[in-house]
Amino acid sequence: SAVISQKPSRDICQRGTSLTIQCQVDSQVTMMFWYRQQPGQSLTLIATANQGSEATYESGFVIDKFPISRPNLTFSTLTVSNMSPEDSSIYLCSGVEANTGELFFGEGSRLTVL
Amino acid sequence: GENVEQHPSTLSVQEGDSAVIKCTYSDSASNYFPWYKQELGKRPQLIIDIRSNVGEKKDQRIAVTLNKTAKHFSLHITETQPEDSAVYFCAAGGAGKSTFGDGTTLTVKP
Repeated sequence: SAVISQKPSRDICQRGTSLTIQCQVDSQVTMMFWYRQQPGQSLTLIATANQGSEATYESGFVIDKFPISRPNLTFSTLTVSNMSPEDSSIYLCSGVEANTGELFFGEGSRLTVL
Repeated sequence: GENVEQHPSTLSVQEGDSAVIKCTYSDSASNYFPWYKQELGKRPQLIIDIRSNVGEKKDQRIAVTLNKTAKHFSLHITETQPEDSAVYFCAAGGAGKSTFGDGTTLTVKP
């Protein structure tokens, strides 16, 4: 099955700064998504990363705060902008494998904002 | 949008016993129902999934059942082992997008 590599795996950031998370899939996926998982909580969908066009955001998430790029079928980035302590969370990249239709996840990026 | 409810939130069983986790969903258009196992500090791992044209699916000790009329689906783990201890998430969706339940923390006591 496909493998998603995500980096950084963790980072400690200062309030007001921005951080970009990268996600690389080793094979083609039909769709890519970004999820957030706060400590001890479930997974919440942030947005669908659309190839070559603007991402589709879920309610409560906006492009200015979470700009997303997907320049090709196997790569995407998520930026967490102007961070505050409330943004401390695990951010997970995911993809739908073209062959099986299964949704699978990267290792996650654990962000701590001080 | 889709709403998924998952029960119980915690489940403790003795090694060798069975464990059952249940989920309900709200959107009748959902046609894909995966289950994920997440160990502490790791990514969610797909353990089994079922699509709306199937009522039951089994993979060794794990089975999933789906009742589309009632909009509920369940995960069954038989002959539980300590390494089954983890958080389990159900999800419902289609076309790739999935809404997740709140998770069930399963503890298997040796």
